[in-house]
Amino acid sequence: GAVVSQHPSRVICKSGTSVKIECRSLDFQATTMFWYRQFPKQSLMLMATSNEGSKATYEQGVEKDKFLINHASLTLSTLTVTSAHPEDSSFYICSAGSPGTSSYEQYFGPGTRLTVT
Amino acid sequence: GQQLNQSPQSMFIQEGEDVSMNCTSSSIFNTWLWYKQDPGEGPVLLIALYKAGELTSNGRLTAQFGITRKDSFLNISASIPSDVGIYFCAGQNFNSGGSNYKLTFGKGTLLTVNP
Repeated sequence: GAVVSQHPSRVICKSGTSVKIECRSLDFQATTMFWYRQFPKQSLMLMATSNEGSKATYEQGVEKDKFLINHASLTLSTLTVTSAHPEDSSFYICSAGSPGTSSYEQYFGPGTRLTVT
Repeated sequence: GQQLNQSPQSMFIQEGEDVSMNCTSSSIFNTWLWYKQDPGEGPVLLIALYKAGELTSNGRLTAQFGITRKDSFLNISASIPSDVGIYFCAGQNFNSGGSNYKLTFGKGTLLTVNP
């Protein structure tokens, strides 16, 4: 159980175009999804927290107009990188979870490798 | 954003050796988690710790939640080649009445196991 998928796994796009990445919880309903960015040989940095049916909460320094997040259902969140530039090339990872009574475990997707040329 | 201090940054060991890594924080957490990430994949949860002083095992892995709530360690015994990867610690302040479930990650420990 607790499987999270991401699509696509890899994407290459030209500078100035937009790219959409999907994150799905396959066997559970996720009230909250998180989007992370990871540069080579670095740790995961949280970009935003997405709650179903409400606006995402962005971390300091993350441009909300550039990284559009939509969490339309309890099983799907999307991240759209608008007007992508080479510096946006990174590994984007989502996680999903729902709070329990004494814990809140996040389950991570396999990641999406974005390359902007 | 905030990060935890995780050490060592990298380790090169022989198969069969034991490994230890740790994380420290300037602030307290009520949950500590340890993840493993293989190249090109997302992190996979290894062990979750929910109480200060808690010692939990998962096969050859053992982790402890520091009594001060500001640190945690992970031990791997009798390492094998498939233990290779990056290990991350993460702290969380889960509150069932609140809404902050964010994870704060350490910088990772790259483990290489020589057969």
